[in-house]
Amino acid sequence: GEDVEQSLFLSVREGDSSVINCTYTDSSSTYLYWYKQEPGAGLQLLTYIFSNMDMKQDQRLTVLLNKKDKHLSLRIADTQTGDSAIYFCAENTDKLIFGTGTRLQVFP
Amino acid sequence: NAGVTQTPKFQVLKTGQSMTLQCAQDMNHEYMSWYRQDPGMGLRLIHYSVGAGITDQGEVPNGYNVSRSTTEDFPLRLLSAAPSQTSVYFCASSYGDSRNYGYTFGSGTRLTVV
Repeated sequence: GEDVEQSLFLSVREGDSSVINCTYTDSSSTYLYWYKQEPGAGLQLLTYIFSNMDMKQDQRLTVLLNKKDKHLSLRIADTQTGDSAIYFCAENTDKLIFGTGTRLQVFP
Repeated sequence: NAGVTQTPKFQVLKTGQSMTLQCAQDMNHEYMSWYRQDPGMGLRLIHYSVGAGITDQGEVPNGYNVSRSTTEDFPLRLLSAAPSQTSVYFCASSYGDSRNYGYTFGSGTRLTVV
């Protein structure tokens, strides 16, 4: 079945790295995504990774994929207050299935 | 390009009332979907469409109807509103197979059923 799980909250100090984790169950997922939702707004695509990749880096963002363990992570380097938001991972087989979202709080 | 436009942004309904949430996109996207977002539950797929004239059920379709008579529009109808349908509703669209492009989301409709 399709199930995507994330921890609900993460709190980090400004300037530190944030790591948001996600597990998924459908091994046929070809793409995995990270979306960001700021307060009162819709979801914005941050980055995605193809299932045959282990890692993808995009400026301050690093996505790691462990396909064997069905584990996906998003690392944000030098976390800023503007990074405070809810982060969703999502897997895509024939539909886009979202995790529960992780609320990242960045404090000074 | 306006992207994905949802109307209204806010709505309060009484139990038993019906209404239609509007969604329109001007990107010529084939795929369109409706999600609801509830605290602690992430986004759950209500209905989706892979093209004009084609719709299918998602994870939580009960109490909702959709139609896709044009590529641009994908309205979501609540037949008889219930308090359990209080939620934030997001419409999303994608060009062809979203695996390559991801989804573009509207800004949401916050619905309260009293």
